[in-house]
Amino acid sequence: AQSVAQPEDQVNVAEGNPLTVKCTYSVSGNPYLFWYVQYPNRGLQFLLKYITGDNLVKGSYGFEAEFNKSQTSFHLKKPSALVSDSALYFCAVRVNYKFYFGSGTKLNVKP
Amino acid sequence: GAGVSQSPSNKVTEKGKDVELRCDPISGHTALYWYRQSLGQGLEFLIYFQGNSAPDKSGLPSDRFSAERTGESVSTLTIQRTQQEDSAVYLCASRPASGSKETQYFGPGTRLLVL
Repeated sequence: AQSVAQPEDQVNVAEGNPLTVKCTYSVSGNPYLFWYVQYPNRGLQFLLKYITGDNLVKGSYGFEAEFNKSQTSFHLKKPSALVSDSALYFCAVRVNYKFYFGSGTKLNVKP
Repeated sequence: GAGVSQSPSNKVTEKGKDVELRCDPISGHTALYWYRQSLGQGLEFLIYFQGNSAPDKSGLPSDRFSAERTGESVSTLTIQRTQQEDSAVYLCASRPASGSKETQYFGPGTRLLVL
């Protein structure tokens, strides 16, 4: 069975500090990997994806993610957090046409 | 250009009533998904449409739930005899084509409250 795990329900970080939101997956085959962000009362917005190639992927708003095949992880990172980054973040994997989502991690960036 | 739109944005209904939720995908997107997001939960896959192929209905939680799509355009999700546990945000997403490496693009969702 396909699954995506986001082990942290919440991540707290001070503005200006680096942030990491963790994601691990268990799927058959070669997955496509995605990160989405959800602001209150909004749909999900695409941040970045890994399909193939360089393991470090850069996306919107200064976010990046590192694909680690041996650890089956795809952690989201940003060198310097902003208060406006506070939101709910979802990791997802796509196998064929289906997307499997993690349970989400709430990121709190404090001034 | 226009994104995915959903209507209504909010719906309050009484237990036992039927509700219909609408999704307008991005023009030209052949793939369409419905998800359910309960409070504090991740996204639960409900149904997938791809062009004129038979939809994947494997995620529909009960026979009270059904969905239709007109060609490669509008989709409606219908919940009959609503129950309180149906209260959630229902999200629609569309994607360019089944073989595409593209992401899916989400609408703002319909927030359903069953009293």
